[in-house]
Amino acid sequence: QSALTQPASVSGSPGQSITISCTGTSSDVGGYNYVSWYQQHPGKAPKLMIYEVSNRPSGVSNRFSGSKSGNTASLTISGLQAEDEADYYCSSYTSSSRGVFGGGTKLTVL
Amino acid sequence: EVQLVESGGGLVKPGGSLRLSCAASGFTFSSYSMNWVRQAPGKGLEWVSSISSSSSYIYYADSVKGRFTISRDNAKNSLYLQMNSLRAEDTAVYYCARVVRGSSSPWGQGTLVTVSS
Repeated sequence: QSALTQPASVSGSPGQSITISCTGTSSDVGGYNYVSWYQQHPGKAPKLMIYEVSNRPSGVSNRFSGSKSGNTASLTISGLQAEDEADYYCSSYTSSSRGVFGGGTKLTVL
Repeated sequence: EVQLVESGGGLVKPGGSLRLSCAASGFTFSSYSMNWVRQAPGKGLEWVSSISSSSSYIYYADSVKGRFTISRDNAKNSLYLQMNSLRAEDTAVYYCARVVRGSSSPWGQGTLVTVSS
């Protein structure tokens, strides 16, 4: 199972919006609505930010939103804040019932 | 509070074995599938293995298949990962995570496995 494709890095200024893409295939992202997104700060465990493409867990800011079109899912963060600076990973259920993650995207808040 | 606590990591020589444990609390462990995910130093997340709530369904990444064995003891609220024939490329922080609606949440704090001579 090949990793999902994410940009290595994105950046934005405080208050701006950014979008991170996650491209897979019809056997993972495009075939199921089980795409999730995780935030990871240095030295910390990942934290679930979005599940089932666009749902936010309780306690996650509504500045975080998710969507999907075809084989590509996206995470959008609006109103960027310094605390959003972290690594972000997408993940998807797959036709082989195995998990797969994206390579990760480093978000820098300028 | 839902909590997962991994243990069992450490330094092991290539070809050696190690057994990781994940103690769960704050939820009905026997009702959830569980994942092991690892992260090599400075690298991204890699899914390792999954096990269904009753252990009926088990899956492995190709990179560990035949060497690692996932298991669980619902009576003890515990998840395990038996790792044999360890290689340098298995060096990573290993996380356990609960599977909820196709996603992993929460995650434990992780346990570091270092494979080196």
